Amino acid sequence: QITLKESGLTLVKPTQTLTLTCTFSGFSLTTSEVGVGWIRQPPGKTLEWLALIYGDDDKRYSPSLRSRLTVTKDTSKNQVVLRMTNMDPVDTATFYCAHTNYWDFGFWGRGTLVTVSS
Amino acid sequence: DIQMTQSPSTLSASIGDRVTITCRASQSISSWLAWYQQKPGKAPKLLIYKASSLQSGVPSRFSGSGSGTEFTLTISSLQPDDFATYYCQQYDSYSTFGQGTKVEIK
Repeated sequence: QITLKESGLTLVKPTQTLTLTCTFSGFSLTTSEVGVGWIRQPPGKTLEWLALIYGDDDKRYSPSLRSRLTVTKDTSKNQVVLRMTNMDPVDTATFYCAHTNYWDFGFWGRGTLVTVSS
Repeated sequence: DIQMTQSPSTLSASIGDRVTITCRASQSISSWLAWYQQKPGKAPKLLIYKASSLQSGVPSRFSGSGSGTEFTLTISSLQPDDFATYYCQQYDSYSTFGQGTKVEIK
């Protein structure tokens, strides 16, 4: 059974760096056929894909946010970490991590609402 | 960036209705398209991948079709559990989502 869970600070000040951890179980992030992605959703708005990391450490980032994003994995802990710099109130959103075998996301975490406010 | 445009934005329908949602891509994405269902306060659920492949465990009343730039999600007979918001996702070039289609009770 595949499960994922997001964790991290839920209140961030403008200009700070957001760090979120996705802790997963039920699969191993060690091959190129498996990946974990990050997707966010501002309140009342649509979904926005942010980043994707595969088990072979191949990484993909949203072109519009590439300069602000870093995704890493710790295979021994079954964790993926997303860092997003220079946070702004417009970045307030629910952040999800999700499992993929390519680019479609079959298993999702419950999401964590991150609020950016001073 | 590839833009995804869904129509309609809102759809009012009754139990048993056949429902069709359209998603158009700003350029050809072959068959690299997925459909998701999302209910309030919940994570999205994958319904269809690669334009027409039904995700395991998803009822057969859901189907997807299309290729290139135009795609459809069809619910053959709307059930009470189907009232939700539906999103398309392209993954031909990175990934982008449509703006969503809310299916509400008529």
